[in-house]
Amino acid sequence: NAGVTQTPKFQVLKTGQSMTLQCAQDMNHNSMYWYRQDPGMGLRLIYYSASEGTTDKGEVPNGYNVSRLNKREFSLRLESAAPSQTSVYFCASSAPETNYGYTFGSGTRLTVV
Amino acid sequence: GDSVTQMEGPVTLSEEAFLTINCTYTATGYPSLFWYVQYPGEGLQLLLKATKADDKGSNKGFEATYRKETTSFHLEKGSVQVSDSAVYFCALSDQGAQKLVFGQGTRLTINP
Repeated sequence: NAGVTQTPKFQVLKTGQSMTLQCAQDMNHNSMYWYRQDPGMGLRLIYYSASEGTTDKGEVPNGYNVSRLNKREFSLRLESAAPSQTSVYFCASSAPETNYGYTFGSGTRLTVV
Repeated sequence: GDSVTQMEGPVTLSEEAFLTINCTYTATGYPSLFWYVQYPGEGLQLLLKATKADDKGSNKGFEATYRKETTSFHLEKGSVQVSDSAVYFCALSDQGAQKLVFGQGTRLTINP
């Protein structure tokens, strides 16, 4: 089925370790996004990419980097994980023809110990 | 900047009750409006949307009408089911920045 695919679904890291969360979409959407969702809280935008080759900071970018590898793929990297980065991470994509309504991936549940 | 304010939760109802979750927004221009639903342990799914004033979005028995005069997009359902238990997010599109602005979410629990 067409949509947004995130990997991995679950991950446990030790403090200081690094990892990359992968996201790919097959809907030919221009825009892609990374959000985090903490317990009892809403969504907070980490980074987004309005089009291939561009990235912009959201409201909580510290401790993260992103790469828009091509039109399909948008990865999120934690260089040195901290317990405060324990969260559920969602990738999403959108396009003008959807009025920028998002299609979300199923999420990556990350625990940093 | 653009913002979305949702009714504070949690909201607890009995099965077959009438549901309203309030959503108001502040925006420049004419945004599109959305409701997303998040079932436990899952990602967010688009529930319905409206792209211009007086449009009504509907899906799965849920409805919301884009009211420009009151800057509102309230979610309603006439008879809720236990399976409607979820977190509901209202959002608007910031088309200039090509991204959505979300409300804080409202947790809904339906008891049998």
